Amino acid sequence: DTEVTQTPKHLVMGMTNKKSLKCEQHMGHRAMYWYKQKAKKPPELMFVYSYEKLSINESVPSRFSPECPNSSLLNLHLHALQPEDSALYLCASSQEPPGATDTQYFGPGTRLTVL
Amino acid sequence: QKEVEQNSGPLSVPEGAIASLNCTYSDRGSQSFFWYRQYSGKSPELIMFIYSNGDKEDGRFTAQLNKASQYVSLLIRDSQPSDSATYLCAVLLRSARQLTFGSGTQLTVLP
Repeated sequence: DTEVTQTPKHLVMGMTNKKSLKCEQHMGHRAMYWYKQKAKKPPELMFVYSYEKLSINESVPSRFSPECPNSSLLNLHLHALQPEDSALYLCASSQEPPGATDTQYFGPGTRLTVL
Repeated sequence: QKEVEQNSGPLSVPEGAIASLNCTYSDRGSQSFFWYRQYSGKSPELIMFIYSNGDKEDGRFTAQLNKASQYVSLLIRDSQPSDSATYLCAVLLRSARQLTFGSGTQLTVLP
């Protein structure tokens, strides 16, 4: 089973709203990732969690706040977003530490629209 | 210089033909190489991964890696209209953890 699930599938929010994106995997992976993808562009890495600890933050604005409550769950809390933050938000997971198999498996994504 | 470059698209091939997708990378320390397929509005789906020089075959797909030339390719044999998608080449430097993507090649298989 190589399934990563994400909720919600679609989200529309105003610039003053607070919302959260959720991601879950049951592959026993201990590395989890958030990516942002704009139309016709490749995914851009936002955050990496390793063993539930934030290991990489790619200079993402503080209006995006990640959280890893346990080894299977990853959240992305959103607050005071801008219209330019509208994008497809992708969660991924992989084995940790990376070794013979370091493939990242992506969830279906959350399509976010900020009005 | 872009870290991962893919042949500019879009690429169109007739049904049943071989589609050839190419990718070059700049970091010689790169260790793992991936091809993802992405349909419009969907998330990337892993097609192939390759770690060692040479060819790796999986059904109609063959990945080729040449580390000396810093080149990785994907061949799709007997292309089908359902193969029409954007193909993303991705390279991983394990120590950096970051999966670096190319800009993608849009493939259209014409019936």
